[in-house]
Amino acid sequence: GQNIDQPTEMTATEGAIVQINCTYQTSGFNGLFWYQQHAGEAPTFLSYNVLDGLEEKGRFSSFLSRSKGYSYLLLKELQMKDSASYLCAVSRGATNKLIFGTGTLLAVQP
Amino acid sequence: NAGVTQTPKFQVLKTGQSMTLQCAQDMNHEYMSWYRQDPGMGLRLIHYSVGAGITDQGEVPNGYNVSRSTTEDFPLRLLSAAPSQTSVYFCASSYSIGRGEKLFFGSGTQLSVL
Repeated sequence: GQNIDQPTEMTATEGAIVQINCTYQTSGFNGLFWYQQHAGEAPTFLSYNVLDGLEEKGRFSSFLSRSKGYSYLLLKELQMKDSASYLCAVSRGATNKLIFGTGTLLAVQP
Repeated sequence: NAGVTQTPKFQVLKTGQSMTLQCAQDMNHEYMSWYRQDPGMGLRLIHYSVGAGITDQGEVPNGYNVSRSTTEDFPLRLLSAAPSQTSVYFCASSYSIGRGEKLFFGSGTQLSVL
């Protein structure tokens, strides 16, 4: 969606750390969101970054570099319930239109 | 707490039929939007609204109409359904996306067009 790129799939082991990257076009950028979506369910909010740097929230952290058009979501101490799709979304323009990337399907293995 | 209510949950249409997907929120949110989600395509923005009386097109608006006559309601109309509109549709709302307010999603509508 409008040049928001994420890896399609990732696999990680329970208890490990995984980093999910997102790159985007910087034009009209206002802020970046991460959402989690379990299969068959609606997305739920994880984080929002508007300034450069790392935002930490429990086991999940999100990083933003505005100049590079780059963000990542870091998941620590992975649990089986973290198996889900992780969606990067960019807010753009005067009306803050929110555009999603195609999402990264994370499989956590025992 | 009702949140964002979408109806119906499931719908089967024949090609050429029209229908309206309903969306209502009780949180006094300014921002409302409709997305469709297809395998491998992610969530794609159809239309959105930043307040009553104001709507704008998203990434894939063709074949869909919206209106926002009240703050609470944001219906999505399919004027003449096509098989390409088979998808899962999500309505979402937020107090104000511009201040980083999170989107609240409805539970989704699975639409099949035969």
